[in-house]
Amino acid sequence: RKEVEQDPGPFNVPEGATVAFNCTYSNSASQSFFWYRQDCRKEPKLLMSVYSSGNEDGRFTAQLNRASQYISLLIRDSKLSDSATYLCVVNQAGTALIFGKGTTLSVSS
Amino acid sequence: SAVISQKPSRDICQRGTSLTIQCQVDSQVTMMFWYRQQPGQSLTLIATANQGSEATYESGFVIDKFPISRPNLTFSTLTVSNMSPEDSSIYLCSVRLAGRFQETQYFGPGTRLLVL
Repeated sequence: RKEVEQDPGPFNVPEGATVAFNCTYSNSASQSFFWYRQDCRKEPKLLMSVYSSGNEDGRFTAQLNRASQYISLLIRDSKLSDSATYLCVVNQAGTALIFGKGTTLSVSS
Repeated sequence: SAVISQKPSRDICQRGTSLTIQCQVDSQVTMMFWYRQQPGQSLTLIATANQGSEATYESGFVIDKFPISRPNLTFSTLTVSNMSPEDSSIYLCSVRLAGRFQETQYFGPGTRLLVL
């Protein structure tokens, strides 16, 4: 079983749509959780951290379920500029990040 | 945040040769990481490079193939030795900085390597 698994995608949605990405992780000792965004031919950039209580940043909402080892990202009112690959990332304290393969989102007008 | 630069940004190399990639950070950091991202794949950690100690390599990566230097807290190099076409990939330098609530990891722009 892969350490971090994500929806395979791609997700093709119209502008204004709401889209949700799911991610599961295998190591119950994982302590930190993130969503990174990677644009085509660019490096990954931190989109948001994921906290146990769930957190929101504008149109983006991240949730964590430790019991199910499940992380989600919800994007509301999708914009064309949201088109990118979204990487689910986990780590234990003091270790390197473990990346999922990513889910590609394409928002069209 | 951290500003990370890498050189070269891209290169095309012949098999059997070696390429050294440089990574420069605008602040002093303890932990630096080297990742590889092959076409259509996610990031795979090659090694962790801490200043003053030997790099720690992940399973599947060895020092003879990917020697790393870490002479100070703002700089590191990764060498891809005796290259083959399978080494064609994007190589990314990364650093981790302590934030208010937790550590955040930042990435350099990457070095795109094509081995012929």
